[in-house]
Amino acid sequence: SQQGEEDPQALSIQEGENATMNCSYKTSINNLQWYRQNSGRGLVHLILIRSNEREKHSGRLRVTLDTSKKSSSLLITASRAADTASYFCATRSGGGADGLTFGKGTHLIIQP
Amino acid sequence: EAGVVQSPRYKIIEKKQPVAFWCNPISGHNTLYWYRQNLGQGPELLIRYENEEAVDDSQLPKDRFSAERLKGVDSTLKIQPAELGDSAVYLCASSSSRPQGWLTDTQYFGPGTRLTVL
Repeated sequence: SQQGEEDPQALSIQEGENATMNCSYKTSINNLQWYRQNSGRGLVHLILIRSNEREKHSGRLRVTLDTSKKSSSLLITASRAADTASYFCATRSGGGADGLTFGKGTHLIIQP
Repeated sequence: EAGVVQSPRYKIIEKKQPVAFWCNPISGHNTLYWYRQNLGQGPELLIRYENEEAVDDSQLPKDRFSAERLKGVDSTLKIQPAELGDSAVYLCASSSSRPQGWLTDTQYFGPGTRLTVL
């Protein structure tokens, strides 16, 4: 079963603009992760934020987490054509090596 | 460092035929996962191994799906017999349980096997 729901399902923006994707989930989590998937490189881990963190940065990525609303957002600044991909949020309820529960993803298209 | 290797990359079979997928995880990763990804959806966990032990197979349809991880390294996922609804991408992932902080939570995915059942 899917835990998260990404919003929007699809997003098309111009190169250089910022892209924001949202994720909502249903149950308590240990951490939330964002992955990118494209046909060239498969599913790649982008960033992880723990339940006791509110914001995290990695390069052009900024992730926020609001556990009271059970939601997260991923911001990609200064988008590039290479950012075109599907983005998934994934949650882990317990610690350790439990499997991830993925959302349905947001398909991002960067127009040159 | 080599990533997670899966084979075959593509497989087309007729319904009721058997099919098997192979996965070689990143060297030293003791945790291995199999996920299924339907078109337009996110991956869904089928089974998780810690070394050679299946510790979470609650989502594996056991009537037709089976998996093994002999010697705690490579793994094989089998479907017998395949049904039309099994068409999907089957992803293998691995992670390390060594105490490296957040790195233990990162799963590394293979390219997947795209299965088409006719």
